[in-house]
Amino acid sequence: KQEVTQIPAALSVPEGENLVLNCSFTDSAIYNLQWFRQDPGKGLTSLLLIQSSQREQTSGRLNASLDKSSGRSTLYIAASQPGDSATYLCAVRPGNNDMRFGAGTRLTVKP
Amino acid sequence: ETGVTQTPRHLVMGMTNKKSLKCEQHLGHNAMYWYKQSAKKPLELMFVYNFKEQTENNSVPSRFSPECPNSSHLFLHLHTLQPEDSALYLCASSQERGGSYEQYFGPGTRLTVT
Repeated sequence: KQEVTQIPAALSVPEGENLVLNCSFTDSAIYNLQWFRQDPGKGLTSLLLIQSSQREQTSGRLNASLDKSSGRSTLYIAASQPGDSATYLCAVRPGNNDMRFGAGTRLTVKP
Repeated sequence: ETGVTQTPRHLVMGMTNKKSLKCEQHLGHNAMYWYKQSAKKPLELMFVYNFKEQTENNSVPSRFSPECPNSSHLFLHLHTLQPEDSALYLCASSQERGGSYEQYFGPGTRLTVT
């Protein structure tokens, strides 16, 4: 059974710092991996999608990498801003019609 | 705005009530999903509709009943719920078979069962 773990559970950094969020999964047989952002009480916003054949994706200050063989992905956020404060969720697609989510990392960026 | 809308945004219901959650996607996708997000637990996939046909039902109690009348609309009918069913219910959609498979989420319905 595919399990997804995100470390750390919470992270607090000063504004301007570069940071890395980690995601690990137990079964390397995945179709893709998706990173989301969730603000309190809100839905999920898709940040980056990495297909199983890809190694990384970039969007603005965000860069996500995927190492299927080791079951790991990282989300790198450059020059963090207070507006980046949210919970970041990692999800893997182990097969058709299935998605497995991690519990998330709650990020606080202090001005 | 993700192109996926959900109504109502908040719902309080008693254990004997019947209510329905609605989801609509404006993205031309062919798959829709219901998820449950409880406090301090990862998102749980409840139902999947692919090309309007239900393909997954992850052991969800029968007091939750999904309906997908077309590829743009998805409902979750609720009856005789329990307090532990209080959660944020999220709808999502994606383009399968030749699409990116990227999931887009609605804002959710915050359900409280009293």
